[in-house]
Amino acid sequence: GENVEQHPSTLSVQEGDSAVIKCTYSDSASNYFPWYKQELGKGPQLIIDIRSNVGEKKDQRIAVTLNKTAKHFSLHITETQPEDSAVYFCAASKSSGTYKYIFGTGTRLKVLA
Amino acid sequence: ETGVTQTPRHLVMGMTNKKSLKCEQHLGHNAMYWYKQSAKKPLELMFVYSLEERVENNSVPSRFSPECPNSSHLFLHLHTLQPEDSALYLCASSQDRLAGGYEQYFGPGTRLTVT
Repeated sequence: GENVEQHPSTLSVQEGDSAVIKCTYSDSASNYFPWYKQELGKGPQLIIDIRSNVGEKKDQRIAVTLNKTAKHFSLHITETQPEDSAVYFCAASKSSGTYKYIFGTGTRLKVLA
Repeated sequence: ETGVTQTPRHLVMGMTNKKSLKCEQHLGHNAMYWYKQSAKKPLELMFVYSLEERVENNSVPSRFSPECPNSSHLFLHLHTLQPEDSALYLCASSQDRLAGGYEQYFGPGTRLTVT
């Protein structure tokens, strides 16, 4: 069935370093890939997304890259700060026939001061 | 978090109780979703309403009953739950997919504990 694999499950980085989280999807019809940040006691917050007609998208310290051939997409956070500590989820979706997102299992990012 | 609100934020209920979760969105969206979030599992989509009609129901047990009276409000009615139903229940909203709506915005969730 459809699934999204996300790695690593936990990631610790020193403040100021970069963090990279990777996801692989199985359904080649997927064409929309959002990333969510979930802080303790809160719901997931959309932080960046990318559509399949674009290879890379950047928003300040956050960027997402997409390799459609390999069915990989990644989240890159540069100059990490303690407030970046949270659980990050990737997801994949397609435009036809369903509203469903297929979510990854999450990455717990800890930024060490 | 004024975009999508959920009440209550925490709920403890016995297996014989009946309770309801409420979601309200203030974003002008017309699609609403219920998700279940359990530890170490991907978010599971339960129900989708678009333009107040249920468009997806992902094999959810009948002890969970959704209701969408209008495009701003969504309820999840709970009865005779099991301990394994304990989880964080998240509501989300988006523009209708037929109108090109992809981005889903989540509420803070209701932490449900079934005793």
